[in-house]
Amino acid sequence: DIVMTQSPDSMAVSLGERATIHCKSNQSVVYNSNNKNCLAWYQQKPGQPPKLLFYWASIRESGVPDRFSGSGSGTDFTLTITSLQAEDVAVYYCHQYYSTPWTFGQGTKVEIK
Amino acid sequence: QVQLQESRPGLVKPSGTLSLTCAVSGGSISSSNWWSWVRQPPGKGLEWIGEIYHSGSTNYNPSLESRVTISVDKSKNQFSLRLTSVTAADTAVYYCAKTDYGVNAFAIWGQGTMVTVSS
Repeated sequence: DIVMTQSPDSMAVSLGERATIHCKSNQSVVYNSNNKNCLAWYQQKPGQPPKLLFYWASIRESGVPDRFSGSGSGTDFTLTITSLQAEDVAVYYCHQYYSTPWTFGQGTKVEIK
Repeated sequence: QVQLQESRPGLVKPSGTLSLTCAVSGGSISSSNWWSWVRQPPGKGLEWIGEIYHSGSTNYNPSLESRVTISVDKSKNQFSLRLTSVTAADTAVYYCAKTDYGVNAFAIWGQGTMVTVSS
């Protein structure tokens, strides 16, 4: 199984400040046929299902605010919120879809400082 | 827009069988997508259980494979999960999810249904 490790486990950020979440896989998730990274990011608010934010590591899903960005390649990926808003309080998960079993990071909880 | 709705079994007895159905609306289950089950124990992270294509092809998480069956019913536009020999460790919110063709991530999720294993 590909193990996904996120850091930090939790963070408290002031409104308007930057939040950066890291995700590391224990093997490359680059899909050879299209040279794309099989990495997605989700946002989960309490009592709700996860919501897809990014796929192919950096492709923003429709409707996701542009203060969110996804980057990285190979084994190291980053989700950045450039100016944290109150509605961004949530748990964020990375997910690899390079090989089954599809696996997720343990989650990063983002709170307001 | 495709929507997914899980059925609500609620409580399952230890050593019993958990059965869930995911109804697909706003689209056809026979479209070029994979349909998955994902679970989340209370206060914990996400675990992929398995997936099915409308042809009936399946992939399962090896950690659960001996106990899991996922099936599709095209006539009812739904797919189902069956998990046998359940224990308290299977207590979780169970989500069904759709993998969009070309996206390959879980683009659409059901609201989730809480399943508790208890006598």
